[in-house]
Amino acid sequence: GAVVSQHPSWVICKSGTSVKIECRSLDFQATTMFWYRQFPKQSLMLMATSNEGSKATYEQGVEKDKFLINHASLTLSTLTVTSAHPEDSSFYICSGIGVHSTDTQYFGPGTRLTVL
Amino acid sequence: GESVGLHLPTLSVQEGDNSIINCAYSNSASDYFIWYKQESGKGPQFIIDIRSNMDKRQGQRVTVLLNKTVKHLSLQIAATQPGDSAVYFCAENMWGNKLVFGAGTILRVKS
Repeated sequence: GAVVSQHPSWVICKSGTSVKIECRSLDFQATTMFWYRQFPKQSLMLMATSNEGSKATYEQGVEKDKFLINHASLTLSTLTVTSAHPEDSSFYICSGIGVHSTDTQYFGPGTRLTVL
Repeated sequence: GESVGLHLPTLSVQEGDNSIINCAYSNSASDYFIWYKQESGKGPQFIIDIRSNMDKRQGQRVTVLLNKTVKHLSLQIAATQPGDSAVYFCAENMWGNKLVFGAGTILRVKS
């Protein structure tokens, strides 16, 4: 149980375009979802926290107008990278906490974004 | 912040030996800690967790030790196997269920 999926698993886009990444909890309802970014050979850095039906909370230094997060249902959160630039190329990973759990996060497989 | 050219520490062990991976955490108020395993190109996989009211917790082939006095966490893997090769991260659960990840350690298992 506690499976999280992400789509797409990888995406290549041109500079200036927008890319949407989906995060789905497949067998549980996620009241809270988190988005992380991971650069090569580095650790995961939290970008934002989203609660179903409310606005996301962004970490310091993360531009909310560039990284749009929507958590419209208990099983789906989306991250849209707007006007992507090569420096946005990274591995984006989401996680979710279930309705009946207090703190255990289940992670998705990640999405590799490459901006040309 | 993010550093360019950062190299993760590497632990090389012989297959069958025990592995010990260490981690220092930052916040003395953190009360929940987790170890994750990450294989190349994949998301983190939960290994084992421990709460601050415990010093030790055991799972299948893995043991986590928590020393709150020096804010240190360790992961012990018994009889290390080639499939254990991965990057291992510790994470502390901060306020609001935010996870702060450690830098990570590469575990290489030699056959």
